[in-house]
Amino acid sequence: ETGVTQTPRHLVMGMTNKKSLKCEQHLGHNAMYWYKQSAKKPLELMFVYSLEERVENNSVPSRFSPECPNSSHLFLHLHTLQPEDSALYLCASSQDSWDLQETQYFGPGTRLLVL
Amino acid sequence: AQKITQTQPGMFVQEKEAVTLDCTYDTSDPSYGLFWYKQPSSGEMIFLIYQGSYDQQNATEGRYSLNFQKARKSANLVISASQLGDSAMYFCAMREGMYSGGGADGLTFGKGTHLIIQP
Repeated sequence: ETGVTQTPRHLVMGMTNKKSLKCEQHLGHNAMYWYKQSAKKPLELMFVYSLEERVENNSVPSRFSPECPNSSHLFLHLHTLQPEDSALYLCASSQDSWDLQETQYFGPGTRLLVL
Repeated sequence: AQKITQTQPGMFVQEKEAVTLDCTYDTSDPSYGLFWYKQPSSGEMIFLIYQGSYDQQNATEGRYSLNFQKARKSANLVISASQLGDSAMYFCAMREGMYSGGGADGLTFGKGTHLIIQP
C-alpha cells in the first residue's frame, strides 16, 4: 500500500453538485494537509489538521469543507463550486505539524474540473 | 513579495550533464527549513532533499545536492549526471519557524521549474 492515497484521481462536476475528495495515509502520521495547485500558480495551502484538529485555514471559501475523522483519513467536501476552482488538489501528511524539518509526503492528487 | 522565487520557468539539459535549479527565498525568521520536490506528469509531489537553516553542511541525497548560501538566501538544487527520468517539474518550498507564525503551517512553494532532459 503506497504511503498517501487519494480518490478519485479525476473528477468532473457541475457547479450545483456536491462531491467529496478522500485522502488516506498509511504512514502513521499525525498531521494532514490539503493543497490546491492551479495552472501557472504555486501550490496553495488550504487546510492543516494535527491530531484530527484543524490548526490552519488559509482563508478558504466556505464552499470547501474539510473533515478529519481520524489521523489516517482526510476529506474535502465540495459544494456549489466555481469554474475557477478547477485544479489539482493534493493531500499530504507528516509526522507532526510543528517540526520545521518534518517532510510532508504527498498523494497523487485529484484533478478536478468544474463545468 | 514572493517568499520563494524560482526564476527558471523551463530548462533543457542534455542527458548525463549536471543541472542547477535556482531558488531564492525571503524570510526574516532565523529558523526555517527548505525543501525540494519533484512532480512528474502523473501529479504526485516527490520529496527530494531538505536543508535546515542551522545546518552547517550542504544537504546531499544520492544524485541530489543542495547549494545552500544563507547570506544570499539561496538554496539551489544540483542534480548530477541527469537522466531521462529526471524530466519533471521541480519545486522549492520553505517552512518558517514560530517567530514568523509558522511551524504549524504547511509549506510555501515557488512556481516551479520545468526540467526536460534530452537524449
